[in-house]
Amino acid sequence: KNEVEQSPQNLTAQEGEFITINCSYSVGISALHWLQQHPGGGIVSLFMLSSGKKKHGRLIATINIQEKHSSLHITASHPRDSAVYICAALMDSNYQLIWGAGTKLIIKP
Amino acid sequence: DAGVIQSPRHEVTEMGQEVTLRCKPISGHNSLFWYRQTMMRGLELLIYFNNNVPIDDSGMPEDRFSAKMPNASFSTLKIQPSEPRDSAVYFCASSIRGGAYEQYFGPGTRLTVT
Repeated sequence: KNEVEQSPQNLTAQEGEFITINCSYSVGISALHWLQQHPGGGIVSLFMLSSGKKKHGRLIATINIQEKHSSLHITASHPRDSAVYICAALMDSNYQLIWGAGTKLIIKP
Repeated sequence: DAGVIQSPRHEVTEMGQEVTLRCKPISGHNSLFWYRQTMMRGLELLIYFNNNVPIDDSGMPEDRFSAKMPNASFSTLKIQPSEPRDSAVYFCASSIRGGAYEQYFGPGTRLTVT
């Protein structure tokens, strides 16, 4: 069993829909990292959070440390949001990231 | 800032050849990470430097792989001799101070070993 699990693995939605990607982890962590990987391969850091909620534009990330669960939400989704979204749990070692397998998101116009 | 810079962006080489990948972290960042990404294994941490010192190289696959960071603005990952199973995308990332801070990724080097 992976220590970090994401769901769904694949998600196809229509433009404008509200998107939720989930990340669950089974180990103690100090923070959770959400990243976006575009079809061209580049990786962009979206959020790093250890509690509560963070918002950046149409993206919202939440984390519940007690339940060992985090979600990434996209409001008013757009085809340019199509990418692979990856969550990574930061271990207490302070540098080790345990990577989820990623969620491939496709937004259709 | 130019972000993390990696070179080359693409490398095609024959089995047995030496391959050197280069990385320039963001100025002021004192932590540098080398990752490898494959379809089978996803993203794997190869080595982590802090203040130019290798802190954890347990992810380095074998002795064919070596990494150096001679100064705060440059790092190399070398594979000698290269093998087809080394084909992957190699990412370099830096953070301002350790992994507790956001890691900023370079564009990656796509390595193909034939």
